[in-house]
Amino acid sequence: DAMVIQNPRYQVTQFGKPVTLSCSQTLNHNVMYWYQQKSSQAPKLLFHYYDKDFNNEADTPDNFQSRRPNTSFCFLDIRSPGLGDAAMYLCATSRAIRSGGSYEQYFGPGTRLTVT
Amino acid sequence: DAKTTQPPSMDCAEGRAANLPCNHSTISGNEYVYWYRQIHSQGPQYIIHGLKNNETNEMASLIITEDRKSSTLILPHATLRDTAVYYCIVRVRDNDMRFGAGTRLTVKP
Repeated sequence: DAMVIQNPRYQVTQFGKPVTLSCSQTLNHNVMYWYQQKSSQAPKLLFHYYDKDFNNEADTPDNFQSRRPNTSFCFLDIRSPGLGDAAMYLCATSRAIRSGGSYEQYFGPGTRLTVT
Repeated sequence: DAKTTQPPSMDCAEGRAANLPCNHSTISGNEYVYWYRQIHSQGPQYIIHGLKNNETNEMASLIITEDRKSSTLILPHATLRDTAVYYCIVRVRDNDMRFGAGTRLTVKP
């Protein structure tokens, strides 16, 4: 049973045309993450939500935004995609980690974004 | 500001144990070491994690040195399906999981 679902699996958008990627989870986890992974590179954390609390990485461009309307869903909005934003976008979830705690992340299959 | 260091690539013969090292010399006392792997074009998959003690599950074993500055992931009987990129991660802070460059493991027949 799929636990972290990403739609669509493949997305093509035009240069400068806003695009939204979606992620949903059936695990009821507090934390949802978005990563960007370019070819032959490691996943790069863009931001994460702890419940409704948004945590942006310092080097995430303003072009990338996120919304989490409820526990189950999280969206990645790219306001004006450039050619350099072509990548695999990975969504992950975990239970909330508190000091001294440890929980693993569960990843979705990813959405591969192409910018033309 | 990567907190872990791994060799970029390793080979292993099918059926033999694969031992993947990771250095994390700046690890703090309450930080866990996590291992994930990513098979080509799939999302990363959790393997195992540990704090101080060695850990074992159905996928692998994790050996952490006494000073906690390094660890080794052991796949006891590697198969061709274990060919993947293996990531060792030390959590930067609560709920912040950042991946290093990883080790590309190739299991050969």
